[in-house]
Amino acid sequence: KQEVTQIPAALSVPEGENLVLNCSFTDSAIYNLQWFRQDPGKGLTSLLLIQSSQREQTSGRLNASLDKSSGRSTLYIAASQPGDSATYLCAVRWGGSEKLVFGKGMKLTVNP
Amino acid sequence: GAVVSQHPSRVICKSGTSVKIECRSLDFQATTMFWYRQFPKQSLMLMATSNEGSKATYEQGVEKDKFLINHASLTLSTLTVTSAHPEDSSFYICSAVLRDNEQFFGPGTRLTVL
Repeated sequence: KQEVTQIPAALSVPEGENLVLNCSFTDSAIYNLQWFRQDPGKGLTSLLLIQSSQREQTSGRLNASLDKSSGRSTLYIAASQPGDSATYLCAVRWGGSEKLVFGKGMKLTVNP
Repeated sequence: GAVVSQHPSRVICKSGTSVKIECRSLDFQATTMFWYRQFPKQSLMLMATSNEGSKATYEQGVEKDKFLINHASLTLSTLTVTSAHPEDSSFYICSAVLRDNEQFFGPGTRLTVL
C-alpha cells in the first residue's frame, strides 16, 4: 500500500531556529513529491515540487530534498519566523496515477 | 504560482437541500481537477478525479449520486452535494493540475448543514 508518513505531528520552536521537517513514503517509484503549507481554515499553498529525477529544490528560506532509495524527503526551513507557523503537508504522486497521497501533516508553531 | 478559486467560501444550508461548489482555474487550463474533503485536524481525503469532458472517477466509498461532479470546461469543475445532511458538513477543497503535474489548490469551501 502506498502511504506517506510525517513525524512528528506537531513541533513548537523559538523564532530563529533552523528546522527540518520529515516525510517518508513507501514505494520508491514516485513520480513527484510536493510540500504544501496550510493555514487554519484555508486551502493549501504549494511550496515546492520535486520531480523524481531531482534531488532538491529551493525557494527562499525553504529547501526540499528527495532521497527515493530511502523513501524520504525533508523540508528545511532556515531562520524560522512566527509567520512560518502553519501545518505543513507532504504529498506524493506515484507513477501511473494522477492522484496525490497526503501525509497527515505537521503543525508547526514558531514562537516569538 | 497558478491561481485556483472556489465559490462560495462558506455556505450554510438546511438538511435536504443541494449545494453547488465551483472550482475555477483562473490563469491556466486544467484537464484534470480533484475534489477533496477535510475534517477538522485531519488531512485531505480525495473524493474524486474530475476530467474535462468525461465522467468523474470516484474514490472507494464516495457516493457518486450524492456528490455530483461536472467538468464542463477546461477552467471550471463543479461539485454538487445533493440532499445534504449534517454529516456532510466539512471543508471541501479542489485542486487543478498544471504543467509538470504540479497541483494547485483552491481556498476551500466550508459547508455547514443544519
